[in-house]
Amino acid sequence: DAKTTQPTSMDCAEGRAANLPCNHSTISGNEYVYWYRQIHSQGPQYIIHGLKNNETNEMASLIITEDRKSSTLILPHATLRDTAVYYCIVRFENSGYALNFGKGTSLLVTP
Amino acid sequence: EAGVAQSPRYKIIEKRQSVAFWCNPISGHATLYWYQQILGQGPKLLIQFQNNGVVDDSQLPKDRFSAERLKGVDSTLKIQPAKLEDSAVYLCASSFRRTSSYEQYFGPGTRLTVT
Repeated sequence: DAKTTQPTSMDCAEGRAANLPCNHSTISGNEYVYWYRQIHSQGPQYIIHGLKNNETNEMASLIITEDRKSSTLILPHATLRDTAVYYCIVRFENSGYALNFGKGTSLLVTP
Repeated sequence: EAGVAQSPRYKIIEKRQSVAFWCNPISGHATLYWYQQILGQGPKLLIQFQNNGVVDDSQLPKDRFSAERLKGVDSTLKIQPAKLEDSAVYLCASSFRRTSSYEQYFGPGTRLTVT
């Protein structure tokens, strides 16, 4: 799996958009970008993934740059419940292997 | 649908004692994972099962950790003897099959404190 770099921590005001960046400059052509989050005292939860096109679901949007060397997870209207650690992982779509988590970004949403 | 169940939720033991954790994955999920999460770090895979066979145990400290998944359903993870550095949250996860391993469902974890 390609290596990823994320900021250690970020703050966001409730109701504003939270934009979480991830650098993955060594990503290969067939590797996808996956995002997970881990709320305190819970296990990680899958959010979204994409290859090169922007993706959106009910939880978030994923913007991948044209050169695919970086991406941004967007939570359009952050709530206090979005306070969590967010992990960016790069891997092949049908990889049969476990998830390789880094340290992630600790997002604090404030009132 | 019921989620991944784990027990106990919390355990405190002294070093050199033994401990066992139990996991019941989501019904029908063939792949089961055990992760160790030390405070401030992301989860790290200990062992991955496909049905009742081991797929990856390269990061399992085999001198003290063991795991089994009899009948390809429930799984137990054992530590014997425990060390102080084993203090962590032990997470169990399952996925429908290996090729959908990105969509893993995690249990609540067992928080182990070794004193």
